[in-house]
Amino acid sequence: DIQMTQSPSTLSASVGDRVTIACRASQSISAWLAWYQQKPGKAPKLLIYKVSSLGSGAPSRFSGSGSGTEFTLTISSLQPDDFATYYCQQYNTYPWTFGQGTKVDIK
Amino acid sequence: QVQLVESGGGVVQPGRSLRLSCAASGFTFSDYVMHWVRQAPGKGLEWVALISSDGKNEYNVDSVKGRFTISRDDSRNTLYLQMSSLTPEDAAVYYCARARGYWYYPMDVWGQGTTVSVSS
Repeated sequence: DIQMTQSPSTLSASVGDRVTIACRASQSISAWLAWYQQKPGKAPKLLIYKVSSLGSGAPSRFSGSGSGTEFTLTISSLQPDDFATYYCQQYNTYPWTFGQGTKVDIK
Repeated sequence: QVQLVESGGGVVQPGRSLRLSCAASGFTFSDYVMHWVRQAPGKGLEWVALISSDGKNEYNVDSVKGRFTISRDDSRNTLYLQMSSLTPEDAAVYYCARARGYWYYPMDVWGQGTTVSVSS
């Protein structure tokens, strides 16, 4: 199975900060990487797919980059609604696998 | 609007069975691959199973092989997950999600989840 590793596990930031979350795959997944946002007690929401394509309804302050095994999610200016947990997920090979999550909380 | 609504969760004893349902609305259900994803309490997300749009192909994660069966009824716009020989490690919120295709499409719409607890 492909292992997905996110860093950091927790990130403390302030409104307006630029935030970056990293995701590494244990083998190449080409461009088949998605990012999801999850708030407590809620279902995950698709933010980014195919590394850098914005999901429906996702704000433009979210962007993704990378290829192969190294990927990044960037929030250009953190907003109050962005405090949540973020997961990367590969959909190149079954079984699909997720990173362990990065919790973004208020500094 | 596009919606997925799970049901069927509850408290079940170890070794027993449970069937989850996921009712779809607002889109052409038969055009989509459907997935189940679970999240144990306080833990991350784990992909569990998928079924192709025509119902002919299924994949599931090794930890549920031989115990969980995914199926769909396109006449009812409903996805199912039949779970048997449940263990405490299966306790989780179970989400259904859709994807536009079998390969290289992400899960773009998720349900709100249904909770399964396994306890004697």
